Amino acid sequence: GNSVTQMEGPVTLSEEAFLTINCTYTATGYPSLFWYVQYPGEGLQLLLKATKADDKGSNKGFEATYRKETTSFHLEKGSVQVSDSAVYFCALSGRSGGGADGLTFGKGTHLIIQP
Amino acid sequence: KAGVTQTPRYLIKTRGQQVTLSCSPISGHRSVSWYQQTPGQGLQFLFEYFSETQRNKGNFPGRFSGRQFSNSRSEMNVSTLELGDSALYLCASSLTDSGNTIYFGEGSWLTVV
Repeated sequence: GNSVTQMEGPVTLSEEAFLTINCTYTATGYPSLFWYVQYPGEGLQLLLKATKADDKGSNKGFEATYRKETTSFHLEKGSVQVSDSAVYFCALSGRSGGGADGLTFGKGTHLIIQP
Repeated sequence: KAGVTQTPRYLIKTRGQQVTLSCSPISGHRSVSWYQQTPGQGLQFLFEYFSETQRNKGNFPGRFSGRQFSNSRSEMNVSTLELGDSALYLCASSLTDSGNTIYFGEGSWLTVV
């Protein structure tokens, strides 16, 4: 079946540091890949997505590239802010293009940014 | 436009009771799915509904059930509550059942005592 593996953390960085959160996946076919962010006490917000190999998703300074050869979708940001502190989830959808067919999530990475 | 709305936001139930959670999707969205989030198991898919039909179901016991109404609103029900059912239950909606981004609500926090 489908699975997603990501570093769980917590990951602690100083403000303006470079961020990488690794995500690798196992899936049959051609899944769509997503990064969601969850702030304390809130639900999940879609951060970015990519629906096919070599696509780059980007939003709010974050970006991730769909690498089929390495089955990876690592999240990066060049300069993090305290407001980026949250839990980040990598997810995949087995249905091409995404959709509510049952997302498979990683365990989540708790990111802490210190001023 | 309004996002996915879930009610109630917080509730406390006793073991053996049942609970019903409600979800109103984004206007125009016809697909609704439910997820359970716990510290131990993370986020797990419960079920998905589209046009009042259950399209997919996760690996949960029959105590967990759901339904979708003609206006796309959805409810999920958990009967004979167990302590392990304590979790954040997240509802998500999308335009159709394929090829669209999924948007989540803020969730319903259920505590079973």
